Amino acid sequence: QEKVQQSPESLIVPEGAMVSLNCSFSDSASQSIWWYQQHPGKGPKALISIFSNGNKKEGRLTVYLNRASLHVSLHIKDSQPSDSAVYLCAVSSTGGNNKLTFGQGTVLSVIP
Amino acid sequence: GGIITQTPKFLIGQEGQKLTLKCQQNFNHDTMYWYRQDSGKGLRLIYYSITENDLQKGDLSEGYDASREKKSSFSLTVTSAQKNEMAVFLCASSRENQDTQYFGPGTRLLVL
Repeated sequence: QEKVQQSPESLIVPEGAMVSLNCSFSDSASQSIWWYQQHPGKGPKALISIFSNGNKKEGRLTVYLNRASLHVSLHIKDSQPSDSAVYLCAVSSTGGNNKLTFGQGTVLSVIP
Repeated sequence: GGIITQTPKFLIGQEGQKLTLKCQQNFNHDTMYWYRQDSGKGLRLIYYSITENDLQKGDLSEGYDASREKKSSFSLTVTSAQKNEMAVFLCASSRENQDTQYFGPGTRLLVL
């Protein structure tokens, strides 16, 4: 069974800082890796996904995947107070049914 | 665009009671999911359905039943509510395999 572990558990940064979030997974044959953002009282919202080794950039977000080390990271450039939320890493399984296994989340607080 | 609606927003029940949560989506998505989110933890898959009248068990299906009578709706029943399953229940849908999952706002379950 896939295991997904995120670090750190929580992070406090000043506005404008670069934020780095980490995620380790257990199955090298996993399909896509997703990052979701969840604000209090809301459902998670998909931010970015990656399938191939390497990096992918979308706006202020960059994600890096290294399948050999079973590690993926999300970097948020020029962080804003509105980025304050829980960030969830999710790994989709093989088998083609789009089942996601989620990590426990990182709580990000961006201080103005 | 589309939206996922979950009812009720809050559900209060007695220990041992049978309780039903409902989810509707207007994305016209084929696949729908039920997740449970315990405080400070990631999401765990309870049931999913890849089409009308299909049901697949997730990792946490014991103690739950599900029903997918229409493409647009997916219900979850807690067969005998327990105090240790007070959590937020999240419904999601996706267009096809390996595609983005869209989440509803959740139903918070309280068991007295």
